[in-house]
Amino acid sequence: DAGVTQSPTHLIKTRGQQVTLRCSPKSGHDTVSWYQQALGQGPQFIFQYYEEEERQRGNFPDRFSGHQFPNYSSELNVNALLLGDSALYLCASSSGTGYEKLFFGSGTQLSVL
Amino acid sequence: SQQGEEDPQALSIQEGENATMNCSYKTSINNLQWYRQNSGRGLVHLILIRSNEREKHSGRLRVTLDTSKKSSSLLITASRAADTASYFCATPMNNNAGNMLTFGGGTRLMVKP
Repeated sequence: DAGVTQSPTHLIKTRGQQVTLRCSPKSGHDTVSWYQQALGQGPQFIFQYYEEEERQRGNFPDRFSGHQFPNYSSELNVNALLLGDSALYLCASSSGTGYEKLFFGSGTQLSVL
Repeated sequence: SQQGEEDPQALSIQEGENATMNCSYKTSINNLQWYRQNSGRGLVHLILIRSNEREKHSGRLRVTLDTSKKSSSLLITASRAADTASYFCATPMNNNAGNMLTFGGGTRLMVKP
C-alpha cells in the first residue's frame, strides 16, 4: 500500500519563474492538504482540497494555487517565485475532512536562487 | 502567529533518559496531535488526544492535555538514539477546521548514545 508520494524531491528555480509540485495521496484518501515549511520552523497551512475544490486557504498570496484531480491527486503551483518561497513543501492526505490524523509525503525541497 | 508553541526549542539527553516536551496553544480546541519529523522530511503522526481526554499512551509515548491551561505535554520514556528528531504539536486552525492544522515551531530532540 503506497503512502503519500510527492514529486519532484528537489527543485531549483530562479526568481520570477513558476513551479508545479505534485502529490498522490495514500490509497483510499480523498483529501489533500499542502503545507510550507521554512528551515527550522513548523509547517504552515497553505490550502486543502476536497472533492476537487479548495476548501480553505491559509495566509498565502494568490501566487499560490492548486488543483485536485478526479483521482484525488493534487498539484501546487507557485507563480512569480520569490527568494522567500524557498522551503520544504509537504503534501498530506486524509480520508475526509474531519478530526483525523494526516499522512505526510516526504516533501519537495524548493530552492529559489 | 502559530497556535501551538513548543518548549523547549531544543533538548539533548542521554539514551535511556526520559524526554518531556511541552506545547501551549491559544484558543479552545477539539483535539491536539503530536507529529515527529526526521531530518526535515515528512511528518509522521504519533498520537491524537481529544479535548475530553486528559492522558493517552502509545508504547513509550505518554501525552497529557490540560484544557484549562491550554497546554499539552509529550513524554518519551527510555529514549533511544533513534528517537532523535523534531517533534511538533498541532491543533485545528479553528472550530470548523477539522484536520486543517496549525503547527508549533517544534522541539528538536537529540538522544546521545
